Amino acid sequence: QSALTQPPSASGSPGQSVAISCTGTSSDIGGFNYVSWYQQHPGKAPKLMIYEVTKRPSGVPDRFSGSKSGNTASLTVSGLQAEDEADYYCSSYVDNSNFVFGTGTKVTVL
Amino acid sequence: QVQLVESGGGVVQPGRSLRLSCAASGLTFSTHGFHWVRQAPGKGLEWVAVIWYDGSKKFYGDSVKGRFTISRDDSQNTLYLQLNSLRAEDTAVYFCARDIGTTNYILDSWGQGTQVTVSS
Repeated sequence: QSALTQPPSASGSPGQSVAISCTGTSSDIGGFNYVSWYQQHPGKAPKLMIYEVTKRPSGVPDRFSGSKSGNTASLTVSGLQAEDEADYYCSSYVDNSNFVFGTGTKVTVL
Repeated sequence: QVQLVESGGGVVQPGRSLRLSCAASGLTFSTHGFHWVRQAPGKGLEWVAVIWYDGSKKFYGDSVKGRFTISRDDSQNTLYLQLNSLRAEDTAVYFCARDIGTTNYILDSWGQGTQVTVSS
């Protein structure tokens, strides 16, 4: 399985919005609504932020939102805060019960 | 409060084997699928394997297929990963993660990881 494609980095000032793209194929993102997003701070375990494209787990601020169009999914972080600085990974279910992560995006709060 | 604690990592020579464990608490173990995910130093997340909630199905990433085996012991609330024929490129932190449901490929709880280093 080839990793989903994300931009290596993204940045924004506090209070601004940042959007991260995640591009796959019709065999993963385009074929299923099982896109998730994970936040990972250095040295820590990943944390689920968005699942099934748009859903937020309990406790995740509504500043985090997800969407999908065709083979590309997106995570938007609105009202950036210092604690949002982290690595973000998308993921998707893939044909035949496989699974794949994105390449990861480092978000910097300027 | 769900807690997942991995153990069994260490330094091992190429070609040797290792078994990782993930002890779970604070959840109904038998009603969830579980995954192993790894992260090489300075690299991104890589999905390793999944086991269905009832153990009936197991799937693996291409890079570990035929060498790694995922299993579970519901009586001990423990997930395992047997790593055989280890290679230098298997060096990584290995995380276990709970699936949000029976097996939905949504990883909602994670352990802190165990380090595996393959080196001669």
